[in-house]
Amino acid sequence: EVQLVESGGGLVQPGRSLRISCTGSGFLFGAHAINWVRQAPGKGLEWIAFIRTEAYGATTEYAASVKGRFTISRDDSKDTAYLQMNSLKTEDTAVYLCSRYSLSDWAFTFDLWGQGTLVTVSS
Amino acid sequence: DIQMTQSPSAMSASVGDRVTITCRASQGINNYLAWFQQKPGEVPKRLIYAASRLQSGVPARFSGSRSGTDFTLTISSLQPEDFATYYCLQHSVHPFTFGPGTKVEIK
Repeated sequence: EVQLVESGGGLVQPGRSLRISCTGSGFLFGAHAINWVRQAPGKGLEWIAFIRTEAYGATTEYAASVKGRFTISRDDSKDTAYLQMNSLKTEDTAVYLCSRYSLSDWAFTFDLWGQGTLVTVSS
Repeated sequence: DIQMTQSPSAMSASVGDRVTITCRASQGINNYLAWFQQKPGEVPKRLIYAASRLQSGVPARFSGSRSGTDFTLTISSLQPEDFATYYCLQHSVHPFTFGPGTKVEIK
């Protein structure tokens, strides 16, 4: 089955760190860039991070709201992308979703999503 | 950054109605525009990509179009399962940006 599965969410105190994961299966994970998108409770979708494939140097992009605090990375040997979140704030509370992105075929851009992992930042 | 202005923010419609939702990009994005449907408690579902290409498996009552920097999602005859929130997304330039969403409710 073609799928993405997020994991690692939970309750974390403000100022602390958390790493969440996005693991793919059923498709060539290493051939796709990966996005992280979040959705705060009752709010809209917010794109936050992107990592290109190793063929494109695994370069990264970030939204201003997380730049300097969050780091996206990937380990294609594990078919997994990560989001390291540091200096967490209460406003980072959200469901975090990953989605694949093909750099060569628009048919495979944001077509596949994980089920999301909830990150709650609270004291 | 490219801003996506989406209208209306909410609307009430009846089954069978023709529904039009618009997104306007603050600068040119060519066809790097996708539309998503999201129901409560569910993940986004892509309906349209490349501005006008219908996602496989999505009913043909959904369509997308572009005129310059204006993009339109049309539902030709609203069905009960179409009541949801709809988002546009530009992926032409980083940072990618979603529109704020349009909630389609039952009249």
